Amino acid sequence: AQSVTQPDIHITVSEGASLELRCNYSYGATPYLFWYVQSPGQGLQLLLKYFSGDTLVQGIKGFEAEFKRSQSSFNLRKPSVHWSDAAEYFCAVGDGGNQFYFGTGTSLTVIP
Amino acid sequence: SQTIHQWPATLVQPVGSPLSLECTVEGTSNPNLYWYRQAAGRGLQLLFYSVGIGQISSEVPQNLSASRPQDRQFILSSKKLLLSDSGFYLCAWRGGLGNTEAFFGQGTRLTVV
Repeated sequence: AQSVTQPDIHITVSEGASLELRCNYSYGATPYLFWYVQSPGQGLQLLLKYFSGDTLVQGIKGFEAEFKRSQSSFNLRKPSVHWSDAAEYFCAVGDGGNQFYFGTGTSLTVIP
Repeated sequence: SQTIHQWPATLVQPVGSPLSLECTVEGTSNPNLYWYRQAAGRGLQLLFYSVGIGQISSEVPQNLSASRPQDRQFILSSKKLLLSDSGFYLCAWRGGLGNTEAFFGQGTRLTVV
């Protein structure tokens, strides 16, 4: 069965510092991978997605993610964090069919 | 463009009362529809998904049920709420399979008291 692991429950970074949020997946074939962001009390917004091709994908708000098949990872990065990036971040995997699974999320705090 | 509506935004219900949360999608046809629950510190749990009218798949057996009476309408229900049903409920749709992303509603905060 497919699964997604986000090892970091909570991360705190200083504004302007770089950010990397980890995501590991378990899936037998090439997965469809996604990163979402959720502001408090809101729905989820898609940041970026990977299906195939270039393993480094660019998303909105200056985020990028790199797919590494050998490590079963799809880590999210941003070179310089802004205070408005404070939110909950979810990694998700699609199985190519009807189902869509999320990790438990990483809460990001940005300190001035 | 496609939009997804979910209501109510917040709801406080007593234990043992019924529940009905509604989700509708506009601007697309035959979407895949999903209900998720987000409990504090537990991420998103897939509750139900539907690939068509009257077709419901349940991921986790619990005190809830789902129905899809129309192509773009997805309803989450309970006959008798439990305290453990409290959480943030999210409806989502996808336009197809495989590489399509899910689009989410704004969620319903349910507190069972």
